[in-house]
Amino acid sequence: LAKTTQPISMDSYEGQEVNITCSHNNIATNDYITWYQQFPSQGPRFIIQGYKTKVTNEVASLFIPADRKSSTLSLPRVSLSDTAVYYCLVGDRLESSYKLIFGSGTRLLVRP
Amino acid sequence: GAGVSQSPRYKVTKRGQDVALRCDPISGHVSLYWYRQALGQGPEFLTYFNYEAQQDKSGLPNDRFSAERPEGSISTLTIQRTEQRDSAMYRCASSRQGDSPLHFGNGTRLTVT
Repeated sequence: LAKTTQPISMDSYEGQEVNITCSHNNIATNDYITWYQQFPSQGPRFIIQGYKTKVTNEVASLFIPADRKSSTLSLPRVSLSDTAVYYCLVGDRLESSYKLIFGSGTRLLVRP
Repeated sequence: GAGVSQSPRYKVTKRGQDVALRCDPISGHVSLYWYRQALGQGPEFLTYFNYEAQQDKSGLPNDRFSAERPEGSISTLTIQRTEQRDSAMYRCASSRQGDSPLHFGNGTRLTVT
């Protein structure tokens, strides 16, 4: 079963770039890596998804090395509103199943 | 609707009662997931469906929990003989297919007294 490991928490300041790294040593060949953001009292919200190399969208970039055993979510120039919990997921295939397992996530605190 | 809709938003019930939580996914989404989330924790996988077929129910805590999605759209999570430890936020999510991103509803906050 694929599992992920992330830092429990991170602190940053407004305007800085934040990089959150996730380890997924047992990622399977067909698995995608997906990151979600969750604010208090809301459900997780999709941020970005990738398979290999680099993916960029309007809110974040995702860097995945060739061995795919880790990935790094990069948030450019964070603001106070980026304070949230960030989850890294990989598909957890088992025969016909496709469980998506959330870990404990990384609590990002952005300070003024 | 535009997003995943869950009802009720809040449910308070007495210990021993049965509850049914409803999830209406985004139209056309094949996969539907149920999660439970305790305060300060990540979502805990319960079960998921592709169309009407329940693909995996290994996360259901015990046999008091069941879920169905009879027509491949709306799903109901039922908890029989509720216990205080069942109190949590129950979240539903849907996706176009297994590899697609999940879209979550606002959840149902269940409180068992």
